[in-house]
Amino acid sequence: AQSVTQLDSQVPVFEEAPVELRCNYSSSVSVYLFWYVQYPNQGLQLLLKYLSGSTLVKSINGFEAEFNKSQTSFHLRKPSVHISDTAEYFCATFNFGNEKLTFGTGTRLTIIP
Amino acid sequence: NAGVTQTPKFRVLKTGQSMTLLCAQDMNHEYMYWYRQDPGMGLRLIHYSVGEGTTAKGEVPDGYNVSRLKKQNFLLGLESAAPSQTSVYFCASSYVRISGNTIYFGEGSWLTVV
Repeated sequence: AQSVTQLDSQVPVFEEAPVELRCNYSSSVSVYLFWYVQYPNQGLQLLLKYLSGSTLVKSINGFEAEFNKSQTSFHLRKPSVHISDTAEYFCATFNFGNEKLTFGTGTRLTIIP
Repeated sequence: NAGVTQTPKFRVLKTGQSMTLLCAQDMNHEYMYWYRQDPGMGLRLIHYSVGEGTTAKGEVPDGYNVSRLKKQNFLLGLESAAPSQTSVYFCASSYVRISGNTIYFGEGSWLTVV
């Protein structure tokens, strides 16, 4: 069975400081990896995804995530956060075998001015 | 370009009442999904559909029924609402295979059962 672990339920960060949101997954088969962002009172939006190729993927708003197969991780990073990054972030995996999308429990990122 | 639209956005129900949440997508997607989101639990799949006229159970299907009579619509029904069904419900859709594509979410429906 596949699972996604986001150990940090809440992460407070000062504005312009760097941030890392951790995501670890377990799966017996190959998976696709995603990060979704949910702004207050809104639905989920795709932030970035890893399907194949380069292990470092980037979003248009400065976030990046690196797929590490040996550590089964897909941590999300940003070198300098902004107030507008305040949101909940969900890591997710897609399993080829059963075509199931599994979400982590989410990490609430709070930016402190 | 509406994408995935959910109605209603907010609803308060009394225990035992019934209601239906409607999801509509205009992207000609084959797959549609209903998730619920609860604090500290992420998103959990309730039911899903791989095409018109088909439905299947997800992780937490008890207490819910679904129908996919038209390709663009996916209905989630609560026959007898319970306080445990207080949650935020998200509909989503995707192409036949998610590989190389993404899943698109609606903006959510907030349901409170009192």
